[in-house]
Amino acid sequence: GESVGLHLPTLSVQEGDNSIINCAYSNSASDYFIWYKQESGKGPQFIIDIRSNMDKRQGQRVTVLLNKTVKHLSLQIAATQPGDSAVYFCAENRNAGNMLTFGGGTRLMVKP
Amino acid sequence: NAGVTQTPKFQVLKTGQSMTLQCAQDMNHEYMSWYRQDPGMGLRLIHYSVGAGITDQGEVPNGYNVSRSTTEDFPLRLLSAAPSQTSVYFCASSWTGGNTIYFGEGSWLTVV
Repeated sequence: GESVGLHLPTLSVQEGDNSIINCAYSNSASDYFIWYKQESGKGPQFIIDIRSNMDKRQGQRVTVLLNKTVKHLSLQIAATQPGDSAVYFCAENRNAGNMLTFGGGTRLMVKP
Repeated sequence: NAGVTQTPKFQVLKTGQSMTLQCAQDMNHEYMSWYRQDPGMGLRLIHYSVGAGITDQGEVPNGYNVSRSTTEDFPLRLLSAAPSQTSVYFCASSWTGGNTIYFGEGSWLTVV
């Protein structure tokens, strides 16, 4: 069936380096893609989203890239900090509302 | 501003017991939904509501009931708990047309 999935289960980076977390999706009709950060014992926290008619969107220290040709989404975190350590999920939102399809998650570990 | 509030935080049930997970939001959001998250997995949609008096099924609705009598509250009922329902449950809400979805802190449920 249609799904949103992640390439790497665990990513380990040195503090200060840039991190790139990847995600593949299979539904061409998706309207929005969203990245969430989930710390242990907490609910998902919205990081950034991107519309399907955009290729790139930047936030504070984060950039999301969307490649519709290969159905690929990535989250780039600049100057990764220990507080960035968490599990990151990409999610697909096909229409405005609460109906999200989540990928399996990537754990980001930041080494001091 | 409390945001999305879930109770209880932790619950242990015996197989066959019933219980209700409570969810309340104070942001006047139209959309509310329930997700479950199994270990190492992304969230999966159980039920959702686009407004008071309206509910619909998500990806994994079996074994769960919901109601939406008010805008603020969206309880999730387990009718006859099964070990397969051991999971972490997240309630979420958002505005109509909004893609920023706010999650609660989660409810850890164990069915023995």
